[in-house]
Amino acid sequence: SQTIHQWPATLVQPVGSPLSLECTVEGTSNPNLYWYRQAAGRGLQLLFYSVGIGQISSEVPQNLSASRPQDRQFILSSKKLLLSDSGFYLCAWSVLAGLRETQYFGPGTRLLVL
Amino acid sequence: EDQVTQSPEALRLQEGESSSLNCSYTVSGLRGLFWYRQDPGKGPEFLFTLYSAGEEKEKERLKATLTKKESFLHITAPKPEDSATYLCAVQADSGGYQKVTFGTGTKLQVIP
Repeated sequence: SQTIHQWPATLVQPVGSPLSLECTVEGTSNPNLYWYRQAAGRGLQLLFYSVGIGQISSEVPQNLSASRPQDRQFILSSKKLLLSDSGFYLCAWSVLAGLRETQYFGPGTRLLVL
Repeated sequence: EDQVTQSPEALRLQEGESSSLNCSYTVSGLRGLFWYRQDPGKGPEFLFTLYSAGEEKEKERLKATLTKKESFLHITAPKPEDSATYLCAVQADSGGYQKVTFGTGTKLQVIP
């Protein structure tokens, strides 16, 4: 069965510090990978998605970046955090079967920027 | 632009009191409609995917239905452990990428 991991679970960082959040998936090959941010009272906002190693698409311009160094590893980074980067970050994976695709989410990382 | 609206924002039920959550959507080229359950501080847990109007799916006390404009998540005789936020999402064809748009959720509280 497939499993998705995210770490750390919780992170408190000062404004201007760097960020690295990691997501790994087990039990599947060549998944599509996604980074979302969830703010209180708002829907999930797609930040980045990747259909393969080194292939990253950005949905929202911001000071965050993503990388996919391995097939089942997805990393979210920032060089300098802003207060507005606080939120709940979710990684998700999916496999496309024809036109059908279901996303499965990881446990999330709670980020607080002070 | 694809839109997903969930109602009510919050719902409080007595244990055993059946009800329905609504998800109305506006999308061109619907590929699928998804329901997720999210507990506080955790990632969304997949429940159902519906692909075409008239389709229904069931899991324990939950039943999801789909029309051309909306989906309902029916909860029959809920228990306190059904308390969670229920998220609806739609997937549409967006220039080769299957874009998913999420609603803001319905927070369900089931009181013993």
